[in-house]
Amino acid sequence: ETGVTQTPRHLVMGMTNKKSLKCEQHLGHNAMYWYKQSAKKPLELMFVYSLEERVENNSVPSRFSPECPNSSHLFLHLHTLQPEDSALYLCASSHSPPTSGGNNEQFFGPGTRLTVL
Amino acid sequence: GQSLEQPSEVTAVEGAIVQINCTYQTSGFYGLSWYQQHDGGAPTFLSYNGLDGLEETGRFSSFLSRSDSYGYLLLQELQMKDSASYFCAVKSSSGQLTFGSGTQLTVLP
Repeated sequence: ETGVTQTPRHLVMGMTNKKSLKCEQHLGHNAMYWYKQSAKKPLELMFVYSLEERVENNSVPSRFSPECPNSSHLFLHLHTLQPEDSALYLCASSHSPPTSGGNNEQFFGPGTRLTVL
Repeated sequence: GQSLEQPSEVTAVEGAIVQINCTYQTSGFYGLSWYQQHDGGAPTFLSYNGLDGLEETGRFSSFLSRSDSYGYLLLQELQMKDSASYFCAVKSSSGQLTFGSGTQLTVLP
């Protein structure tokens, strides 16, 4: 049990669908992250929220839309995705904001395996 | 920008010692982290080096040389359960983590 949960664990969607990924952290952390993990590629940071404010958006296409209603929940809204968006989407949280000192250890959820047909 | 290089695969036998190297090119380096990810699982934090030198945590140790832009993860007394992917990650001054492509470690009996 990592303290970070994600739903659904698996998602298959068509290119015209709209779906949302949910992440919840039970650790009292102040920062949350979305990463994309494709086969044989590094984890790619997509979005960072610190104290419920977006602090980073790494040139992610607008078909991905994050939402952070409070410090414990993070959503990733998906619409009109492409087949190349198929990947494992990982949510993470950290106690300290990313710009703080120290190791900024991140706790990851189990991920949502997304397949876009 | 940031770039990291680590070997894609390493194989070793139970009880052995293995070292996974990581070299990086970055602007605004702050520290080097290591994460472990078992197949189908979530990445989990192993260690962090903000200063040069060796950090030891049980069977795992991590080393950093900032002048050489180089670090490594050392795994001792390998066990079958250590078979996993290991990622180095650079923390930049902006706080972002940039991950390497990962090293797949296979431990043989």
